[in-house]
Amino acid sequence: KAGVTQTPRYLIKTRGQQVTLSCSPISGHRSVSWYQQTPGQGLQFLFEYFSETQRNKGNFPGRFSGRQFSNSRSEMNVSTLELGDSALYLCASSLVGRDRAEKLFFGSGTQLSVL
Amino acid sequence: AQSVAQPEDQVNVAEGNPLTVKCTYSVSGNPYLFWYVQYPNRGLQFLLKYITGDNLVKGSYGFEAEFNKSQTSFHLKKPSALVSDSALYFCAVSLPGTASKLTFGTGTRLQVTL
Repeated sequence: KAGVTQTPRYLIKTRGQQVTLSCSPISGHRSVSWYQQTPGQGLQFLFEYFSETQRNKGNFPGRFSGRQFSNSRSEMNVSTLELGDSALYLCASSLVGRDRAEKLFFGSGTQLSVL
Repeated sequence: AQSVAQPEDQVNVAEGNPLTVKCTYSVSGNPYLFWYVQYPNRGLQFLLKYITGDNLVKGSYGFEAEFNKSQTSFHLKKPSALVSDSALYFCAVSLPGTASKLTFGTGTRLQVTL
């Protein structure tokens, strides 16, 4: 069974640009969550999607957005990039992800560098 | 608001010795507690979780964790460390209803030496 796939693996952008990151969950998983990992702030929850609907949201500005498609694949978008957006962005999937405290399966992440 | 504290940035242990990685949490209500491990240039891998029931939880690769409600702690343990256990370990908490919204600790780097 294939794991969680994130593309691209590395991205370099300049300030003010926008970027789209992609995540393909494990087959059959319907919940997709996104996390930002930085040396200073650690791992922070961005948002979670389930059945194409945003179900939970973290404390990030509106420049960070996401969506989920009918096949459960998800994308996140960051507009008007800032230097502080440089981070490893991790996607995680689970079957349902709500009350069953299922384990999350993480992808290897997309390393975003903003210059 | 929920929070997780991992008081040690790094834990050093010799191979074959027992290891403990500490975690305390603060949350309103009954938490779900997790441990994840991260190897270099990789995503996180699930080790174990506590939902309810027995306070001693056994997980992958010989790891276990003990839930202590009075001390709001969830320390990770292993009886005999391996060099291959060297990695970054994260404790996390979530709540029923928002189980995928994990709040992570800052991580503890475990270094196991020969």
